[in-house]
Amino acid sequence: GAVVSQHPSWVICKSGTSVKIECRSLDFQATTMFWYRQFPKQSLMLMATSNEGSKATYEQGVEKDKFLINHASLTLSTLTVTSAHPEDSSFYICSGRGGGGAFFGQGTRLTVV
Amino acid sequence: DAKTTQPPSMDCAEGRAANLPCNHSTISGNEYVYWYRQIHSQGPQYIIHGLKNNETNEMASLIITEDRKSSTLILPHATLRDTAVYYCIVRAFQGAQKLVFGQGTRLTINP
Repeated sequence: GAVVSQHPSWVICKSGTSVKIECRSLDFQATTMFWYRQFPKQSLMLMATSNEGSKATYEQGVEKDKFLINHASLTLSTLTVTSAHPEDSSFYICSGRGGGGAFFGQGTRLTVV
Repeated sequence: DAKTTQPPSMDCAEGRAANLPCNHSTISGNEYVYWYRQIHSQGPQYIIHGLKNNETNEMASLIITEDRKSSTLILPHATLRDTAVYYCIVRAFQGAQKLVFGQGTRLTINP
């Protein structure tokens, strides 16, 4: 299957700072990428859909000014959590759509202290 | 996307076949059945997908009923590494439709 690489795999940051998470499709071009968030013992919750070269579409209840998504190329999308707070601590997962399927990164565990 | 219903948890003995059911009674004609699994603290892993015919790959088999309202994922010889949460999702194949995850089935393989 196609490979999606997500970086970093874990990060600890101080409250009030910003954190950027990168998602790269290594062997396919992802015109669409999805960002999910997962809290402990819960399922994945879709946060936003990003299409290369255009603005992301956010799911209801997700603050677009807090979770900045950039999809500048067909192989790279980034999620920036701005002014992070402890309640933003979660497992963030990206997914790239290509070849008729959707392939996921390994996830980023964000801890805000 | 059509909703799916899965049992919250299942147990299976190592070496036996694990059969995971999924109900998708409102599936429409252009929607496929996808299965993913998520091992603890990792991103979801694609397993298999199908439209109406049964499918098999190196990981699993997918059996879809004739009316397409339910399906079963079969792991023929479960190992401890198959312990994970398994998600059944229905969506159209083409286009940029998002994958919407339900609660899935937590499968535990016991030695």
